Amino acid sequence: GDSVTQMEGPVTLSEEAFLTINCTYTATGYPSLFWYVQYPGEGLQLLLKATKADDKGSNKGFEATYRKETTSFHLEKGSVQVSDSAVYFCALTNYGGSQGNLIFGKGTKLSVKP
Amino acid sequence: KAGVTQTPRYLIKTRGQQVTLSCSPISGHRSVSWYQQTPGQGLQFLFEYFSETQRNKGNFPGRFSGRQFSNSRSEMNVSTLELGDSALYLCASSLDPGANTEAFFGQGTRLTVV
Repeated sequence: GDSVTQMEGPVTLSEEAFLTINCTYTATGYPSLFWYVQYPGEGLQLLLKATKADDKGSNKGFEATYRKETTSFHLEKGSVQVSDSAVYFCALTNYGGSQGNLIFGKGTKLSVKP
Repeated sequence: KAGVTQTPRYLIKTRGQQVTLSCSPISGHRSVSWYQQTPGQGLQFLFEYFSETQRNKGNFPGRFSGRQFSNSRSEMNVSTLELGDSALYLCASSLDPGANTEAFFGQGTRLTVV
């Protein structure tokens, strides 16, 4: 079945460092891909999404490009801040882009030190 | 605008008992999904409801059931609780199951089975 694999955490970075969180997927057809973020004590929030190959999703300085040839959707940010400390989840859906039935990776915890 | 409300926030139950969790979606949202989050398995899809009809169901035993009411509020029930059912149960709501509607998550119900 469809699945998402993301790099194990935790990831600890200094403020202003470059961030990459790797995400690869296995899916039939043409899934839509997402990154969600979960801040401490809060629910998941959609960070960015991409619905077709070569699409680039971006939000709050984060970016991810849908690479069908490598089945990847890596999350990047050029300069992280302490406020970016959270758990990041890569996800996909194969239901026409609907976010009602998401398959998630295990999550990567990011800690940013001042 | 109120977010997705899940009640109760915390619950302790004994093995063999049953439990009902509640989710009130954002006003106007008609689609509700449920997920189970555990340290070992991560986030796993349980069900999706739209207009009182179950659209999709994840790979969980029949002890897990759900329903949606005419006001879009949703409940999930777990019967004959097992220790392994201890988890954070998350609810997400969206306007409808369409491809461009964002899912908004609640803070979850933390269920502990002893």
